[in-house]
Amino acid sequence: GESVGLHLPTLSVQEGDNSIINCAYSNSASDYFIWYKQESGKGPQFIIDIRSNMDKRQGQRVTVLLNKTVKHLSLQIAATQPGDSAVYFCAETANDYKLSFGAGTTVTVRA
Amino acid sequence: DVKVTQSSRYLVKRTGEKVFLECVQDMDHENMFWYRQDPGLGLRLIYFSYDVKMKEKGDIPEGYSVSREKKERFSLILESASTNQTSMYLCASSLQDRVLGYTFGSGTRLTVV
Repeated sequence: GESVGLHLPTLSVQEGDNSIINCAYSNSASDYFIWYKQESGKGPQFIIDIRSNMDKRQGQRVTVLLNKTVKHLSLQIAATQPGDSAVYFCAETANDYKLSFGAGTTVTVRA
Repeated sequence: DVKVTQSSRYLVKRTGEKVFLECVQDMDHENMFWYRQDPGLGLRLIYFSYDVKMKEKGDIPEGYSVSREKKERFSLILESASTNQTSMYLCASSLQDRVLGYTFGSGTRLTVV
């Protein structure tokens, strides 16, 4: 699979490979994190979330990893499919009702 | 499913016009938000509201105002549109004190010429 060590605005992935999308956050008080997926022409949609008392959470084909020491969040997508092509945003909050968003990573899946 | 509906998908307005962007949610959410989305900048919060007739400034409120006369409706107003307000505008809503259930509309692509 392909991985991104630093946050990059774009990621090209071969269909069937694993994808890793990275996100750095700045607020050390943030305690809740969400990954969103935005397909073309649609608003962002919830993928998976994680609280700061956890370092890993798994969903269906997706895993979120949280490293509070370096304030880093990643989203792993297993067996990437063409339908995974989208913009992915991480979001953080320290107060549980107002979210701050990252710049987003555009994932393109190659057939 | 929660629905957040933005009244227009695409708008073209002239510089100096007063522009209204409307957002309606149907799940009795207390919180509503307006963001703008620009390439490389992600989503930036313009204004939000946690109750009827209540509003708070977000990170980039300059040039915008909002109105929340009813719980289900949150309007974004550009008093005098400028070309640097050309952007994608996203509305969201959520339950009080919770970001879980934070739901977005499909967005309004505004072009100011």
